[in-house]
Amino acid sequence: EVQLVESGGGLVQPGRSLKLSCAASGFTFSNYYMAWVRQAPTKGLEWVASITNSGGSTYYRDSVKGRFTISRDNAKSTLYLQMDSLRSEDTATYYCTRGWYFDFWGPGTMVTVSS
Amino acid sequence: DVVMTQTPVSLPVSLGGQASISCRSSQSLVHSNGNTYLHWYLQKPGQSPQLLIYRVSNRFSGVPDRFSGSGSGTDFTLKISRVEPEDLGDYYCLQSTHFPYTFGAGTKLELK
Repeated sequence: EVQLVESGGGLVQPGRSLKLSCAASGFTFSNYYMAWVRQAPTKGLEWVASITNSGGSTYYRDSVKGRFTISRDNAKSTLYLQMDSLRSEDTATYYCTRGWYFDFWGPGTMVTVSS
Repeated sequence: DVVMTQTPVSLPVSLGGQASISCRSSQSLVHSNGNTYLHWYLQKPGQSPQLLIYRVSNRFSGVPDRFSGSGSGTDFTLKISRVEPEDLGDYYCLQSTHFPYTFGAGTKLELK
């Protein structure tokens, strides 16, 4: 059974950093592109970043480029999102999702950026 | 960026009835490899999104055949026949042909 479980969310002050993790199981992690998608409270879905299966290429939305870094450790079947210089508009539930089609999603981890 | 215009915003339906949701993109979603990366998701209240349809018309594993997707180029439709209580929630389309990937704003399927 495919499972994705995010962790690392919490309350953080503007300008500070946070690192999210997503532990994957039930499939061969190194065979899949992975992505982060976020959802601000009561809002719709927003793609944040993607990474190829080897980790050799990464892609970001403009609003997080230069502040967020997506990475992965295939030996640990874990996806990461390093978030620096956080802003109030980054407040959201962050989901880890698999593949080209986002076929499986984790339950999400909430990030609140507030002073 | 590709803008995904999803309509309607809200869709009241009767159980057993039919629903249709439209998603239009601001540019063609045909990838250079010939595939069209347009997908549909349902997010039930308090849950993560779940994939229903991938690449326009392919039902994901376990998705009932009451759900069907169609369209091409810039114009896509999700149809739900014989609506059941578990179909209620927020529906989103997603294009993953062009970076940045973009979602439609969502359609809330609710009881009439």
